Amino acid sequence: SYVLTQPPSVSVAPGKTARITCGGNNIGSKSVHWYQQKPGQAPVLVIYYDSDRPSGIPERFSGSNSGNTATLTISRVEAGDEADYYCQVWDSSSDHKVFGGGTKLTVL
Amino acid sequence: EVQLLESGGGLVQPGGSLRLSCAASGFTFSSYAMSWVRQAPGKGLEWVSAISGSGGSTYYADSVKGRFTISRDNSKNTLYLQMNSLRAEDTAVYYCAKEAVAGTVGQHAFDIWGQGTMVTVSS
Repeated sequence: SYVLTQPPSVSVAPGKTARITCGGNNIGSKSVHWYQQKPGQAPVLVIYYDSDRPSGIPERFSGSNSGNTATLTISRVEAGDEADYYCQVWDSSSDHKVFGGGTKLTVL
Repeated sequence: EVQLLESGGGLVQPGGSLRLSCAASGFTFSSYAMSWVRQAPGKGLEWVSAISGSGGSTYYADSVKGRFTISRDNSKNTLYLQMNSLRAEDTAVYYCAKEAVAGTVGQHAFDIWGQGTMVTVSS
């Protein structure tokens, strides 16, 4: 089955840029979606189809996808961005939705 | 307002059964594929099952195949998850989630999530 690999944690100072990676075999050929989840809350979609932002999501959130790595980039990080972030794809070979293990973003 | 509201969670003994429901409102329910996603305490998200808008196609994670059954009643705008032969490792918050684009289950994101319902499997 298809595996997505994320770093368990990323730390960044306020105002700096955070980059969260999502690795997978030839992930560049798939559409990657990113979700933000704060403690006790349901996940929220922040990036879809690699780099599109839903309405209401700040322009500080962006995404890219190429080769074996997709990346969620959060610019000018704020304290309110502290959360768990998950990448997700559709694996057409198994007809499964797949989530990465999640990355805890800590704002120092 | 687009909304999903799960119910049916609770405490069940190993080997027991439970049926979860997800009531949808604010969109044309029958046009959208739906999924169940779970999250064990302190763990990450795990996709469980998906169903097409018509209900004619269903998909399951290997961990639940043969034990869980997803279904929907489009006349009631409700999604279900029948869970049988429950195990301790099925303990989790179960979320229902809507695909962002009308059509079949596939590469689309989940744009709307419910608040989740807790299932605890323990003796």
